Amino acid sequence: EAQVTQNPRYLITVTGKKLTVTCSQNMNHEYMSWYRQDPGLGLRQIYYSMNVEVTDKGDVPEGYKVSRKEKRNFPLILESPSPNQTSLYFCASSWAQASDTQYFGPGTRLTVL
Amino acid sequence: AQTVTQSQPEMSVQEAETVTLSCTYDTSENNYYLFWYKQPPSRQMILVIRQEAYKQQNATENRFSVNFQKAAKSFSLKISDSQLGDTAMYFCAFMNHYTGANSKLTFGKGITLSVRP
Repeated sequence: EAQVTQNPRYLITVTGKKLTVTCSQNMNHEYMSWYRQDPGLGLRQIYYSMNVEVTDKGDVPEGYKVSRKEKRNFPLILESPSPNQTSLYFCASSWAQASDTQYFGPGTRLTVL
Repeated sequence: AQTVTQSQPEMSVQEAETVTLSCTYDTSENNYYLFWYKQPPSRQMILVIRQEAYKQQNATENRFSVNFQKAAKSFSLKISDSQLGDTAMYFCAFMNHYTGANSKLTFGKGITLSVRP
């Protein structure tokens, strides 16, 4: 089954404790992306990757890092989480063409205390 | 930069009736894609329908159809024969067409739709 998986689905942590949210897709997609969803703001792009070892900033990259060492995986790293990073996070993937449908993961609910 | 505006925060409709969700957008591009995504309480993002800007014909998917007005930069979603399972938040989204670039989706704030039994 074609899918995008994220782990963990829920996470409560404290300020400053490094964490990683994993994202994996089994469709051999070149393009992967991270979004955060906040009430009244919709979804906003954090980072994206066009292929292995090719990553770039989205609209709200501050406080986040990513890596793309393998085609299937695109982890989101919060080196020193802060309460304003409390949000719902989505990973998405697609073929490189802009016309292709993006597949979203199930979401990760992060709370930073 | 592109912007997507959904001005109605909430709507309610009686089961089996028709409801229209509004969306406007702003762009200087000529070729682009527009989408409606559904987010039920499970939080999963589900693609409902998409429209290519170069196509004049409005997209339809079963009970879902759009009214795409390119000159007015308007992209509304019509849900016919509303069902309880349509209760969800709906997001309008925009994507530029050109390839080789960031396939970023620009989302509106969303609208919460409640279907009443």
